[in-house]
Amino acid sequence: DTGVSQDPRHKITKRGQNVTFRCDPISEHNRLYWYRQTLGQGPEFLTYFQNEAQLEKSRLLSDRFSAERPKGSFSTLEIQRTEQGDSAMYLCASSFKEGPVRAASYEQYFGPGTRLTVT
Amino acid sequence: DAKTTQPPSMDCAEGRAANLPCNHSTISGNEYVYWYRQIHSQGPQYIIHGLKNNETNEMASLIITEDRKSSTLILPHATLRDTAVYYCIVRAGGTSYGKLTFGQGTILTVHP
Repeated sequence: DTGVSQDPRHKITKRGQNVTFRCDPISEHNRLYWYRQTLGQGPEFLTYFQNEAQLEKSRLLSDRFSAERPKGSFSTLEIQRTEQGDSAMYLCASSFKEGPVRAASYEQYFGPGTRLTVT
Repeated sequence: DAKTTQPPSMDCAEGRAANLPCNHSTISGNEYVYWYRQIHSQGPQYIIHGLKNNETNEMASLIITEDRKSSTLILPHATLRDTAVYYCIVRAGGTSYGKLTFGQGTILTVHP
């Protein structure tokens, strides 16, 4: 399977603990995105990378959250000092940007998500 | 990015066409209409996108009104596996507009 993969699929942690999630994008994709989705809501954008550069961060990404994509391939999302409000599905997506600005046809391919439960 | 309005839920009989509407009255000239869907416990899946002209692919058809203020996603022969949340998203073109802004979408239930 050459789709976007995420690990782990499920994580249960106690409040105050740190957690780290991993995303492996489709291999030739140079853009990688993180979203968060709570029950009954659509996904909310958190941040995205083009290669290893983090180009945009949402105000939802508090200082307890940090994302990296060190070699422009896989990415990690770390949450420090987790809170119960962090319980959500964390989705990763990737896309491919080619060449100069043109039609916005870079559809995003999503992984299955990591479901985080903070107790 | 322009805001979209979708009905919260719709039903469709298996084998019939499912027509999902979306209003985007504040859409601007360089904004595209995208449709994604999310089947329960999975990540969203790209369906189709368009700017002005109607579009068709193996999954669906997208009909955009001439004034571009609304659009309709058509699943020509809905199956039970098409039961999902369908998101209509309007997004500007260009390299600086990477993110997708999801609303609450339409829950489509396909019944036997």
